[in-house]
Order: sequence, then C-alpha cells, then structure tokens
Amino acid sequence: DIQMTQSPSSLSASVGDRVTITCRASQGISIYLAWFQQRPGKAPKSLIYATSTLQSGVPSRFSGSGSGTDFALTISSLQPEDFATYYCQQYNSFPPTFGGGTKVEIK
Amino acid sequence: QVQLQESGPGLVKPSQTLSLTCTVSGGSISTGIDYWNWIRQPAGEGLEWIGRVYNSESTRYNPSLKSRVTISVDTSKNQFSLKLSSVTAADTAVYYCARGEQRFGELLPNLWGRGTLVTVSS
Repeated sequence: DIQMTQSPSSLSASVGDRVTITCRASQGISIYLAWFQQRPGKAPKSLIYATSTLQSGVPSRFSGSGSGTDFALTISSLQPEDFATYYCQQYNSFPPTFGGGTKVEIK
Repeated sequence: QVQLQESGPGLVKPSQTLSLTCTVSGGSISTGIDYWNWIRQPAGEGLEWIGRVYNSESTRYNPSLKSRVTISVDTSKNQFSLKLSSVTAADTAVYYCARGEQRFGELLPNLWGRGTLVTVSS
C-alpha cells in the first residue's frame, strides 16, 4: 500500500494567516491526490481533487499543488470556519490510502 | 442533493458480525455510474478504506480486510450494506459510507455520510 504522510500533525494559527499543509506519498501517484476537511462531529468534506481542482462551492482561498510524491494544501487567509482537521488521500493505486490528518487550531 | 446516512448497532460483541446500512437519499443508488464505499476511522487514528460496490454487484475490498468483508446493495430500499465478520476490539471505529462518482475515478469517495460509532466489546 502507498503510505501518505502529512505534516504537521497539528498547527495553531490566527484568522487571516496563510497556512500550508504538506502530504508526501511513499511512491509516485501522479496528480491523483485529494484533500478533505472534517469539522468535529461532521462528515469529511471533499475540497480538492486531482491535486489542484477545487470542488464546486469551495472558496478560492483554498489551493492545492504538487505532483509525484509531494503535495501541499494552502489556505491563503484563514477564516473561522476553516478550523478543522484536513486529510489527504491518494487515489492513484489500489487500495486508496489517507494521510494521518492535520488539525488546524485557533491560536 | 444526494445525502448518505449510516445506521446500525453501536455495540457488537467480539467474534460476532458487524452489520451497517447506508441509506441514500436525494438520488438513486441504481444509476450504475457511482461507487458506494465504506471507510472507517478508529479513535485517534487515520482513515482506512474498507471497500466499495459498483453497479450493484461489482465489489472490491481492501486486502487487509478482504477475508472478513461483504458489501451489498438493496436497490429496492436505496441502501447499501457492510458486513464485517469475526470482529475484535481493533474493529472499534467510526464507520462512514461514501459515494464516489465515475468522473473522479473509482478510488475517490467524495461525498460522505456523518459516520456511526461501532464499539466491539463484551
């Protein structure tokens, strides 16, 4: 299985900050990388697929980048509703696998 | 829009079979173009993809669980189900059902239910 490693596992930031979360795959996955947001007690929500394509309705302050084995999710100006846990997922190879998550907390 | 809701017992005894159902509303499970997935998350741990069903009968399972998992569809009730046999405490987790759309490929579950906690304990 492809291992997905996210960093950091948690971070503290303030409203308006620029935040970047990284995700590294144990082998190349082309562009087949997705990002999910999960607020406490809620279903994971798909934010980005194919590395950088925003799902419909996702604010433009979210962006994704990378290819091969190294990827990043950036929030350009953190908003109160963005405090959540973020997961990356590779869907290039069977079985699909997820990163361990990054919890974004309020500073 | 399409919504998914998991249901089933919250407590299962060791060695028994865990059974969960996912009810799909706002759309048909019989379109033949969607993938219907199960994913789980033990407390404090990461997400693990369990398996999926496609076109009502084509299934694919995570090799780590394959010997114990069955996913099936009931089109008359617009539901799909998960059965996990011979459970142990290691199977305690929040279980999610999710839809994957063909346009994203078969391995991306992009619309999820809220999840249901299943505890394995005597």
